[in-house]
Amino acid sequence: QVQLVESGGGVVQPGGSLRLSCAASGFTFSSFGMHWVRQAPGKGLEWVAFIRYDGSSRYYADSVKGRFTISRDNSKNTLYLQMNSLKTEDTAVYYCAKVQQQLVDYFDYWGQGILVTVSS
Amino acid sequence: DIVMTQSPDSLAVSLGERATINCKSSQSVLYSSNNKNSLAWYQQKPGQPPNLLIYWASTRESGVPDRFSGSGSGTDFTLTISSLQAEDVAVYYCQQYYSTPYSFGQGTKLEIK
Repeated sequence: QVQLVESGGGVVQPGGSLRLSCAASGFTFSSFGMHWVRQAPGKGLEWVAFIRYDGSSRYYADSVKGRFTISRDNSKNTLYLQMNSLKTEDTAVYYCAKVQQQLVDYFDYWGQGILVTVSS
Repeated sequence: DIVMTQSPDSLAVSLGERATINCKSSQSVLYSSNNKNSLAWYQQKPGQPPNLLIYWASTRESGVPDRFSGSGSGTDFTLTISSLQAEDVAVYYCQQYYSTPYSFGQGTKLEIK
């Protein structure tokens, strides 16, 4: 069965960095685009970033552009989110999510999420 | 950017009754190439990730009970739960995947009356 397991979250000071990982199993990881979506405490869902199945295209929300970098290692079945210059407003649960079909970006599987807290 | 607006923000419905949630996009999400609307619905229960219910505005995901249905086209969409069950208490989100930045509605909290 499909599993997505996030790791790397925690508490970081404003201006700091973190790298999130999402370990995928149960499907051919190298064939599917992947996304990061976040949810601030008590708030709604916010799309963060997308990477194409082969890493050739990446897109970002304006709120994270220039600070976050999405990447993947298909040999390790792992998705990453490098987060730099973190702000208090980046505090959220971060989910990795898998697309169901190529070139169609709705999400059929989600990880359980990992909490990132940006606080001094 | 496409803005998604849901209504109402919260809704209380009696068990066995119909629940209706609306979602409006700031521009059409109809793909001319396949004549399908790039609109998905998710259910999120407390402490859990979202769960896909509907895609292409009206296609039910495998395993989703048939009391859930989606309708609409262009900019106006509806999620209907035909007969509310206790396990349907959750927050529901619509999402457009027509263009980046992909966007979600603000969510509708569904409770039992």
